[in-house]
Amino acid sequence: SQQGEEDPQALSIQEGENATMNCSYKTSINNLQWYRQNSGRGLVHLILIRSNEREKHSGRLRVTLDTSKKSSSLLITASRAADTASYFCARGMNRDDKIIFGKGTRLHILP
Amino acid sequence: KAGVTQTPRYLIKTRGQQVTLSCSPISGHRSVSWYQQTPGQGLQFLFEYFSETQRNKGNFPGRFSGRQFSNSRSEMNVSTLELGDSALYLCASRGGPNTGELFFGEGSRLTVL
Repeated sequence: SQQGEEDPQALSIQEGENATMNCSYKTSINNLQWYRQNSGRGLVHLILIRSNEREKHSGRLRVTLDTSKKSSSLLITASRAADTASYFCARGMNRDDKIIFGKGTRLHILP
Repeated sequence: KAGVTQTPRYLIKTRGQQVTLSCSPISGHRSVSWYQQTPGQGLQFLFEYFSETQRNKGNFPGRFSGRQFSNSRSEMNVSTLELGDSALYLCASRGGPNTGELFFGEGSRLTVL
């Protein structure tokens, strides 16, 4: 399967804590992207990291990419109730430019 | 700039019927992709169109088809509906191939009875 794995499937943390989500993949990629989805809505793009980059920041988000291990992580610092959502990693495939999503991590921020 | 617009937002069909979903991309975007989202399988790639041509296709049966018009608007059709086709169908646009970021619509939620 091209989907790869996201870990964990679900995560509950206290407001103010940091949340880390991981993504692994199997085939060569051009870029890796992270998206957020609030319940049953469309996805919103968060950040894109290219295959020749190792780390990227955007506000409270930090993304790392390790192409040798075929893995990426998304760190959300100082979590807020509004961060409660599902988070998906998406691989921009090298071979055919498809963007393939994983099954996501459901993040719940506890007040 | 208006976002990606999908219609209808909700629909109910019965087994054996067919359905057509519509997607209007962001103005100027020429690439439209379709995904099926179900609780068990996550987001599954259906197909992508660019300049009225199908660029990529996922692993779905021939009952799932799509097309793109000269104004970049896209439609997808599912014929002979099955219960398992119940899902949220998401459309996303981007400027073109290799431009990375996808912009998603709110989706069309299809229920098959």
